[in-house]
Amino acid sequence: DAKTTQPNSMESNEEEPVHLPCNHSTISGTDYIHWYRQLPSQGPEYVIHGLTSNVNNRMASLAIAEDRKSSTLILHRATLRDAAVYYCILISNFGNEKLTFGTGTRLTIIP
Amino acid sequence: DTGVSQDPRHKITKRGQNVTFRCDPISEHNRLYWYRQTLGQGPEFLTYFQNEAQLEKSRLLSDRFSAERPKGSFSTLEIQRTEQGDSAMYLCASSSLDRTSYEQYFGPGTRLTVT
Repeated sequence: DAKTTQPNSMESNEEEPVHLPCNHSTISGTDYIHWYRQLPSQGPEYVIHGLTSNVNNRMASLAIAEDRKSSTLILHRATLRDAAVYYCILISNFGNEKLTFGTGTRLTIIP
Repeated sequence: DTGVSQDPRHKITKRGQNVTFRCDPISEHNRLYWYRQTLGQGPEFLTYFQNEAQLEKSRLLSDRFSAERPKGSFSTLEIQRTEQGDSAMYLCASSSLDRTSYEQYFGPGTRLTVT
């Protein structure tokens, strides 16, 4: 599976936008970019995914670089409940869907 | 949709004992996954089922580990002769074959402590 690289930690002020970067320079043409997050003492939860185009849903936006070698998860207005570890994961369209988590980015929200 | 449930939530056992965990996936989901997570690390894949068939096992799943999903519904993960290195959070997830998003829904996990 292609590897992703994320910063270990980030901080953001409450009610401000947060941009969480992910590098995936070895991504293949059939790899989808998925984001999951894990709140304290909970299992991971799906956030968003995309292939080539930018994506929006109720939780976040996903901006994908034109060459697909990087992406950015955007939380438009961070709240204290968004404090979590965020994982960027590549999943092949032809794979068995197992998730290969890295260490993710620990996001701290400052009140 | 009551979500994925796991039982027990916490288990403390002595080294050498056997333990069994249960996972109840979302009812219409065909696929069920087990992951293990140690402190400060992301979850690591252990095994997955499609209906009752176990289709892949990680090298992390030693001979002391066995998983079953006998009727394609709930699943059990058994660890025999537990070791201190087995202490971790064991996570279960499920997904539907009918969805193209590959979204996996995770349970709250079972935290195992081996003393």
